[in-house]
Amino acid sequence: EDQVTQSPEALRLQEGESSSLNCSYTVSGLRGLFWYRQDPGKGPEFLFTLYSAGEEKEKERLKATLTKKESFLHITAPKPEDSATYLCAVQSGGSNYKLTFGKGTLLTVNP
Amino acid sequence: DAGITQSPRHKVTETGTPVTLRCHQTENHRYMYWYRQDPGHGLRLIHYSYGVKDTDKGEVSDGYSVSRSKTEDFLLTLESATSSQTSVYFCAILSEPDTQYFGPGTRLTVL
Repeated sequence: EDQVTQSPEALRLQEGESSSLNCSYTVSGLRGLFWYRQDPGKGPEFLFTLYSAGEEKEKERLKATLTKKESFLHITAPKPEDSATYLCAVQSGGSNYKLTFGKGTLLTVNP
Repeated sequence: DAGITQSPRHKVTETGTPVTLRCHQTENHRYMYWYRQDPGHGLRLIHYSYGVKDTDKGEVSDGYSVSRSKTEDFLLTLESATSSQTSVYFCAILSEPDTQYFGPGTRLTVL
């Protein structure tokens, strides 16, 4: 059974204070690891897919990295508009592309 | 915007009544998914479809049924709603090769 654990559950930062969110996983044959952002009252919004250990993807102030056991979402010099819940999910091979999600990290960036 | 709409967006119903939620897509995607999101549990897969009339169960399928009679619509039915089915329901489509995009969600309250 695939499992995803995200930490911390909640993180409060000052604007400009860089930090990282963690996603640790166990999966039988990783096809891809996905990061989503979710704003209150909205559906998850796709950010990144990572496929193999050592891979990195960047988008504005966000950078996602992947190892064989975990992924990190690095947030550099965050702004208040980066406040959201960040979700991590894994997809295993032969799964009909199903996703197993972690419970998310609620990020609050104060001005 | 992956062309996904969900209806209704909000619904309040009573225990024991049947409820049908609709997911509609405009881009002819083959795979569609229904999730529920609850505090402390994250997103959990209820059912999914890999084509017209082709569906399968997810992690939390008890009490739910689905139907897909045409490509663009995926219906989720609660045959006899219970208070434990109070949740936010999200539909997703798979955009090739492997990324799921989510709809805006339906907030369901069962009294």
